[in-house]
Amino acid sequence: GDSVTQMEGPVTLSEEAFLTINCTYTATGYPSLFWYVQYPGEGLQLLLKATKADDKGSNKGFEATYRKETTSFHLEKGSVQVSDSAVYFCALSPGGTSYGKLTFGQGTILTVHP
Amino acid sequence: DVKVTQSSRYLVKRTGEKVFLECVQDMDHENMFWYRQDPGLGLRLIYFSYDVKMKEKGDIPEGYSVSREKKERFSLILESASTNQTSMYLCASRSGGLGTGELFFGEGSRLTVL
Repeated sequence: GDSVTQMEGPVTLSEEAFLTINCTYTATGYPSLFWYVQYPGEGLQLLLKATKADDKGSNKGFEATYRKETTSFHLEKGSVQVSDSAVYFCALSPGGTSYGKLTFGQGTILTVHP
Repeated sequence: DVKVTQSSRYLVKRTGEKVFLECVQDMDHENMFWYRQDPGLGLRLIYFSYDVKMKEKGDIPEGYSVSREKKERFSLILESASTNQTSMYLCASRSGGLGTGELFFGEGSRLTVL
């Protein structure tokens, strides 16, 4: 079945450092890929998405490129802020008749220090 | 603004009790989902519903049931709570049909079973 694997956390960075959170997936067909973020005490919210190979999703300075050849969707940000401290989830949707249900990775906790 | 509301943020129940978790969305969405979130495991799909009175099992349905009598409301039921059901429960919704529409999440219900 479909699966998503994220890099182990937690990740601790200083403010203005470069961020990469790795995500790889296993799926049949042509899934859509997502990054969701969960701030402390809140539900998940969509950060960015990509629906086909070579698409780049971007939002709030974060970027991720859908790489079909390496089955990856790594999240990057050039300069993190304390306010980026959160849990980040990579997810896929197989599309088709799946009704949009998502398969999630295990989540990566990011802590940014001033 | 889009709103998914879960009835209880925190619940404490005893083993064997029947537990109801309620979720209401105000976006007229066709599809609704229940996930549970556990550290190191990410989010796992329990059940989802693609229309009123319609439901399908997710990846971990054992020990749970659901009810969707009205479009805006999706309830998760634990018939006889057990300690291994202690977890964070997240409800989500999206508009219907195929495609890659965003999932909107509630803030979660943290259930502790003693």
